[in-house]
Amino acid sequence: AQKVTQAQTEISVVEKEDVTLDCVYETRDTTYYLFWYKQPPSGELVFLIRRNSFDEQNEISGRYSWNFQKSTSSFNFTITASQVVDSAVYFCALSEGGYTGGFKTIFGAGTRLFVKA
Amino acid sequence: GAVVSQHPSWVICKSGTSVKIECRSLDFQATTMFWYRQFPKQSLMLMATSNEGSKATYEQGVEKDKFLINHASLTLSTLTVTSAHPEDSSFYICSARDSLVSSYEQYFGPGTRLTVT
Repeated sequence: AQKVTQAQTEISVVEKEDVTLDCVYETRDTTYYLFWYKQPPSGELVFLIRRNSFDEQNEISGRYSWNFQKSTSSFNFTITASQVVDSAVYFCALSEGGYTGGFKTIFGAGTRLFVKA
Repeated sequence: GAVVSQHPSWVICKSGTSVKIECRSLDFQATTMFWYRQFPKQSLMLMATSNEGSKATYEQGVEKDKFLINHASLTLSTLTVTSAHPEDSSFYICSARDSLVSSYEQYFGPGTRLTVT
């Protein structure tokens, strides 16, 4: 069975601080995708990144970076020089494919990030 | 990019009535759509997988007779909450997979906020 754990319920930082959101996942599949989404107060999910299980390269996009380590089943997300606009709930998600997973996406509990000015 | 719409964006109904929520893929065909429910300050919980032309697959604990799903075309899935009660008040989000793309990615709709009085 698939599972996504985001142990940090809430994080509060001061603007310009760096912050890392943790994500640990469980799956029996060898082929899967991991995602990060941002959910601002409006509720609409904003897609941030997709990473497949065969690509362990870390990725940087502006102030955002992701560290994928299969050895520890982790897919952590770092925001560098945080800004007030980064305040939102961030979800890590896992999608298994095909016969076992049916392409369902399972979400972690989410981490609420507060960035104070 | 792929766009998924939901209608209505919010709805208020009286207890005991039924309400229908539509999910449309605007610029792609979606053989599979998913329905999620999100209670305040909680994560997205998968309710069911909607398959075009066949019966939906419900997750454990979700009453299929209460949450009727119809996926009559490749671009439209509907969720009907029958005999709604205040505890059904929630944020309902749908997502859709592009049938022509071999990818695990889902495109999420903006959500429908249901309030049952």
